[in-house]
Amino acid sequence: GENVEQHPSTLSVQEGDSAVIKCTYSDSASNYFPWYKQELGKRPQLIIDIRSNVGEKKDQRIAVTLNKTAKHFSLHITETQPEDSAVYFCAVLGRAGKSTFGDGTTLTVKP
Amino acid sequence: AAGVIQSPRHLIKEKRETATLKCYPIPRHDTVYWYQQGPGQDPQFLISFYEKMQSDKGSIPDRFSAQQFSDYHSELNMSSLELGDSALYFCASSLWTSGSNEQFFGPGTRLTVL
Repeated sequence: GENVEQHPSTLSVQEGDSAVIKCTYSDSASNYFPWYKQELGKRPQLIIDIRSNVGEKKDQRIAVTLNKTAKHFSLHITETQPEDSAVYFCAVLGRAGKSTFGDGTTLTVKP
Repeated sequence: AAGVIQSPRHLIKEKRETATLKCYPIPRHDTVYWYQQGPGQDPQFLISFYEKMQSDKGSIPDRFSAQQFSDYHSELNMSSLELGDSALYFCASSLWTSGSNEQFFGPGTRLTVL
């Protein structure tokens, strides 16, 4: 089955700095890569996604880049704010829509 | 806009009891997914249904079963509950036939097994 690795597991940045989280996957047939933000006890919330036919996608302060050859994709958050503090999960969509999640990154943005 | 509904939101059970979790997908969505998220863990895929038929199966214990009904709502039945079953259970839905892969998550059911 799909194997997804996410790094780092924890990330602490100063407000205004950038944060980068990286994920690698194993199945070259995977073609959809969402990123979720999850606050404690709440549902995963989609923040950005990318399909395999695109190399980069940006939405305001958030961007995702995909390297299909190397089988990795990254989340970039610029001008971080304290409310960006949460756990971030990458996911890879396999057959029948099954999502395999990374282990998560706890992002802390210090004011 | 209507979202995914899950009930109950919280459930407390004793070991060896049974539990039934319900999920009502977004209207017209054709696919339902169930995930289990233990404390400090990532969501683990359990099972999915497309048009009321099981479409994929993940790490779902044999003690668990699920189905999707004619009105598209889904139920996750859990028997012989163990302490390790305590977790957040999320249901998600999507409109697979539209070509969109986005899964919309419900608020989750927090199951506590004592």
